[in-house]
Amino acid sequence: AQSVTQPDIHITVSEGASLELRCNYSYGATPYLFWYVQSPGQGLQLLLKYFSGDTLVQGIKGFEAEFKRSQSSFNLRKPSVHWSDAAEYFCALSSTGTASKLTFGTGTRLQVTL
Amino acid sequence: DAGVIQSPRHEVTEMGQEVTLRCKPISGHDYLFWYRQTMMRGLELLIYFNNNVPIDDSGMPEDRFSAKMPNASFSTLKIQPSEPRDSAVYFCASNWGGGNTGELFFGEGSRLTVL
Repeated sequence: AQSVTQPDIHITVSEGASLELRCNYSYGATPYLFWYVQSPGQGLQLLLKYFSGDTLVQGIKGFEAEFKRSQSSFNLRKPSVHWSDAAEYFCALSSTGTASKLTFGTGTRLQVTL
Repeated sequence: DAGVIQSPRHEVTEMGQEVTLRCKPISGHDYLFWYRQTMMRGLELLIYFNNNVPIDDSGMPEDRFSAKMPNASFSTLKIQPSEPRDSAVYFCASNWGGGNTGELFFGEGSRLTVL
C-alpha cells in the first residue's frame, strides 16, 4: 500500500521569508511524486513532479522540491514567499506515474503575513 | 485554451433530492476523474474513466452515487437521494494518458450543500 503524510496542517510565514513544507511517503519502490497547489475556491494545479534523475526538481512559481530516498521525503521549498502563495499545498504519490494511481496527502494550509 | 469546466459551481439542496453535477474535460484528454474533497477525509477519488469507459469505481461511496460519460466531452455525477453527509466539494479532473506524466487538470469544483 502507498501513503503520503503531510505532518503540518497549517503553517504561517512572513512575506519574504523562506518556506519548507514537509512530505513523507510510504511505498516499497521508487515513487513518482508530485506537489499540487489549491488556491481558495479553485481546483488543484500541478507545481512540480519527480519521476527520476536529478533529485532536486524545479517547478512553477519559484518552487522546488528535493527527493530524499533515505528519508522517504519530498519536501517543497521556496526561498522567498509572496503573499499570493497563500493556499493549500498537497503532496501526492503515484506508483505508476499515471494519474490513475495518485494518492494525495491531507494538505498543508499556508498563511502568509505581511 | 479552456480548462476543465464544471457546473454548477454551487448547489444547495434538501435531503432526498437528486443532484447532478456536470463536467466538460479538456479537449483531447482521454481520462476523466471525479474527486470529492471534505475537511474530514481530504481528497478522495470516486471514479475514473478512460475513453468514456468507467475503469475504477471502487471509490464511489454507495449506490446512491452514479457517474456516466456518454461522450468524450461530457460527464455527470449523480447523487440520488442526497444526504447531508454528501456535502462536499466535488472536483472533476482530466488527463491525457498518452503523456504518462501523472498531471491532472482540475476544474474549479462544485460545492454541494445538502440541508
